Amino acid sequence: QSALTQPASVSGSPGQSITISCTGTSSDVGGYDYVAWYQQHPGEAPKLIIYNVDYRPSGVSLRFSGSKSGNTASLTIFGLQAADDADYYCSSYTSRRTHVFGSGTKVTVL
Amino acid sequence: QITLKESGPTVVAPTQTLTLTCTFSGFSLSSREVGVGWIRQPPGEALEWLALIYGDDDKRHSPSLKSRLTITKDTSRSQVVFTMTTMDPVDTATYYCTYKNRDSSGYEYWGQGHPVTVSS
Repeated sequence: QSALTQPASVSGSPGQSITISCTGTSSDVGGYDYVAWYQQHPGEAPKLIIYNVDYRPSGVSLRFSGSKSGNTASLTIFGLQAADDADYYCSSYTSRRTHVFGSGTKVTVL
Repeated sequence: QITLKESGPTVVAPTQTLTLTCTFSGFSLSSREVGVGWIRQPPGEALEWLALIYGDDDKRHSPSLKSRLTITKDTSRSQVVFTMTTMDPVDTATYYCTYKNRDSSGYEYWGQGHPVTVSS
C-alpha cells in the first residue's frame, strides 16, 4: 500500500487559516470515513487531533477541523498560532483492514 | 490514565531479529474494542504503520512487511510483544507503541517512542 499524498509544506501568518490535503484512493480515504490527523512537534510523539474524518478528541482546539471529499481528506487550521508550527500526518483505514499514513506536511507559521 | 512504554534493544545487528515489548496501563487488552498498534518513524521521515492487535486477538500487519512481522499479547502482564525479522539498516527508526479503540480511526495514546539502530 502506498503512502497517502500530502504537500511537503504549507505556511501561513498568525491569524490566517491554512488547509492541508491528503489524497488517497477509493481503497482507503475514499472508501471509508476513517481518516485521522496527527500533529508532531520535533522530538515528540505524534498527537491525535482529528479522527473519523471530522471528530476532535477531548481537549483538542476547535481551530482544527477535518473534512473529506472523494479520495481527498483535508485538515484546516483556523487562526494560525505559533504553537501550530509542526509536522502533520494524515492516516486512513484501508480495504486490506490495515492503516496507512500520509507523507507528512511541514507547517510553518511565518 | 492510559500510558504505554516501549522497551527493548536500541542497537540490532543486520539480519538479526528485533523484539520490542510494549507495557501499558490504564486499560485491559481483553476487550475486542481495544487495540495496541506499532508505528515507526525513520529519522527525518514520515510515520509508517506496522501492525495492530485487538483484545480478541484480531491481528493486522503491514502488507509490505507482513512476512517479517509478528505481534502477540499477554493480557495478564499488560504487554504486547512485537518482532521484526531480518533487520536491515533501512529499518533504523523510532518505534512507537500506541492505543486504539476499534470504533476510532485514530491512535489516541502513544508511548514515548523507542529508537532502534540497525548496525554491525
